[in-house]
Parts: sequence; C-alpha cells; structure tokens
Amino acid sequence: EVQLVESGGDLVQPGGSLRLSCAASGFTFSGYSMNWVRQAPGKGPEWISYISSSGVSVHYADSVKGRFTISRDNAKNSLLLQMSSLRAEDTAVYYCARGASAAGFNWFDPWGQGTLVTVSS
Amino acid sequence: QSVLTQPPSVSGAPGQRVTISCTGSSSNIGAGLDVHWYQQLPGTAPKLLIYRNSNRPSGVPDRFSGSKSGTSASLAISGLQAEDEADYYCQSYDSSLSGFVFGNGTKVTVL
Repeated sequence: EVQLVESGGDLVQPGGSLRLSCAASGFTFSGYSMNWVRQAPGKGPEWISYISSSGVSVHYADSVKGRFTISRDNAKNSLLLQMSSLRAEDTAVYYCARGASAAGFNWFDPWGQGTLVTVSS
Repeated sequence: QSVLTQPPSVSGAPGQRVTISCTGSSSNIGAGLDVHWYQQLPGTAPKLLIYRNSNRPSGVPDRFSGSKSGTSASLAISGLQAEDEADYYCQSYDSSLSGFVFGNGTKVTVL
C-alpha cells in the first residue's frame, strides 16, 4: 500500500523554525517527484513546494520562497521541509503529496494525513 | 483570491446531477494545461478524483466525470449520494506563476 506519513508539526513562535518530515512507503520513492501542500484553517489547499525525483529541480510558491527549503533523501525514502522565519499566516496543516511521475506538471496522489503547524506567540 | 475560480457551493437531491465549474485563464487551463480534481471529506486529506481533465483513478465511481474546454473545466456528479457531501477542488499548473494552483473549492450539499 502506498503510504505517506508526515511528522514534525508543532506550535512555534513567530520568527521561529521547524522541520517537517514525510516518510514514504509502498512505492519506489526515487521514481517520483514530491510536493508539500498546506491548508490553512477553513481554506483550500495551497501548493508550496516541489522537488523532482532526483532532487535536482526544486520550486517554491512566492509565499514561502527564501524561507522554506525542500529536500529529499532517496536512500531513506524521506521528504523534508525546513521552515524558517515563520509567520502567523504559515499556520496550516501541511501535507506531503506524491507527483504522478519523476517530474512535470502533474497531479498529486496520494496525500499524507497531514501535520499541523501553528505559529503563535 | 484563487487563480482558479469555483462556485462556493452547489446542492442537489439524492439521485440528481450536479456540476462544478473551474474557471482559469490563458496562463493555466487556457494554455492547454491539464486540470485535476480532488474530493475532501471532513477532517481528511484531499483525495484524487479526476486526473488529466477526464480520467478516473481506479476505485472512483463512474458517477464522477470531468471535462475541459477553453479556459474552463467542469466536474459532474451524477446520481448524487449522501456520501458525496464534501469539498471539491480543481488544480492545474500556472505558467505565469511557475507553480501549481488550486481552485477556491466548492462545497457539495446533498439535500
């Protein structure tokens, strides 16, 4: 069974940092692009970052560019999101989601169950 | 404001057919980029419903169908059932933003 499990969500103060992890299983992780998508309370999903299967190509939404860093460890079937300079508007459930292929403008399937990040003093 | 625009809500009686529109622009749907649809049940992660405009993943009932024309796409649910009550989101890629974009979402209510 294809499975994605996020962890690392927490309550953090504005300006703080946090690292999210996503553990993948049930598929050849190194063969797929991966994404982080977040959903603020009561809002729709917002894509924030993409990484190709090899890790060579990365992209960010303007809302997180320069503050968040996506990376992956194909040997450990793991996707990471390093978040810094966190703001109240970063409060959301963060999902990792698999792309449909190694690279490209694909759909997201499946999604993990999400991990909650709350930025508040 | 979302790049892809959906109606906030649609409703229908059991057994009826409802449609959800997703309107984009020349930098996303109108540029020939594919549209995908997700269903989100309360308290759960979004689930892929339609990919590449009109394709259903394995396990998705054929009551769900998708189409695309010009700068818009549509999701149709026929034979509406109580378990279809959920939020539905369209998604594409925007070449101007160089990123993936979602619609603002449509809440489907079964009367």
